[in-house]
Amino acid sequence: DAKTTQPNSMESNEEEPVHLPCNHSTISGTDYIHWYRQLPSQGPEYVIHGLTSNVNNRMASLAIAEDRKSSTLILHRATLRDAAVYYCILPSYNTDKLIFGTGTRLQVFP
Amino acid sequence: KAGVTQTPRYLIKTRGQQVTLSCSPISGHRSVSWYQQTPGQGLQFLFEYFSETQRNKGNFPGRFSGRQFSNSRSEMNVSTLELGDSALYLCASSLVGQGPTGELFFGEGSRLTVL
Repeated sequence: DAKTTQPNSMESNEEEPVHLPCNHSTISGTDYIHWYRQLPSQGPEYVIHGLTSNVNNRMASLAIAEDRKSSTLILHRATLRDAAVYYCILPSYNTDKLIFGTGTRLQVFP
Repeated sequence: KAGVTQTPRYLIKTRGQQVTLSCSPISGHRSVSWYQQTPGQGLQFLFEYFSETQRNKGNFPGRFSGRQFSNSRSEMNVSTLELGDSALYLCASSLVGQGPTGELFFGEGSRLTVL
C-alpha cells in the first residue's frame, strides 16, 4: 500500500473552515484516496473518497491535487462534534484491509 | 438499518485465558474484517473474511484466529492471552469486500482488558 503522511494535530475554532492535508507522493494511478475519522470512544467512520476529481458530500469536501501526490479534506464549518482523529488512507484493491497511519487529531474550540 | 454490532462491549480476562469476540455485520454485507487498536500501535489489521473464507491476514501471531459463518456473522478468538493483547478490537463490514471504491462500516468495538 502507498504511504500517507499527515500532521499529528491541528486546531480550529467552531464554525471556521478546516483544511486537513495529506501527502501521498508514492500514489499510483489507480489508488483511491479515502478519509475516515474516529470520534472519541467510537469506531472509525467513513468520511469521503475520491480518485482524481474533487468530491463533495454532506460531511466534507475532498480536494485532490492535479498530480495526485497530495489531497486536502475540507470541513466547511467545524463543529465541536468534528473533534476526532482523521485518517487519510489509500486502500488496496480486492480487499477491505486498510492501513491506518497515526492520523491527524483535530481539536475544535468553542 | 442496524449497524455493525459487536459483543461483548467490555470484558476482563486474565493472562493465559482465551476470549471469543463476536461481530454481526450490517444486513446484506458479506465481508467482515477485524482490527486491533492500542495506544502504542494504533489501528492494525487482523484479518478479513468474505463468504466464510479468510481472504487476508495481518501480521499477528497464530493465537489470533477468526471465522465467518454462513450468515456472515464473524467471531475472532485470542488464545493464551497476554497483557499486550489488551486493546479495542474493532469489526468492520462491507457489501462485497469492494476495496477502494466503497466504504467500511465499523462497529463500536469490544474493549478487552487482560490482567
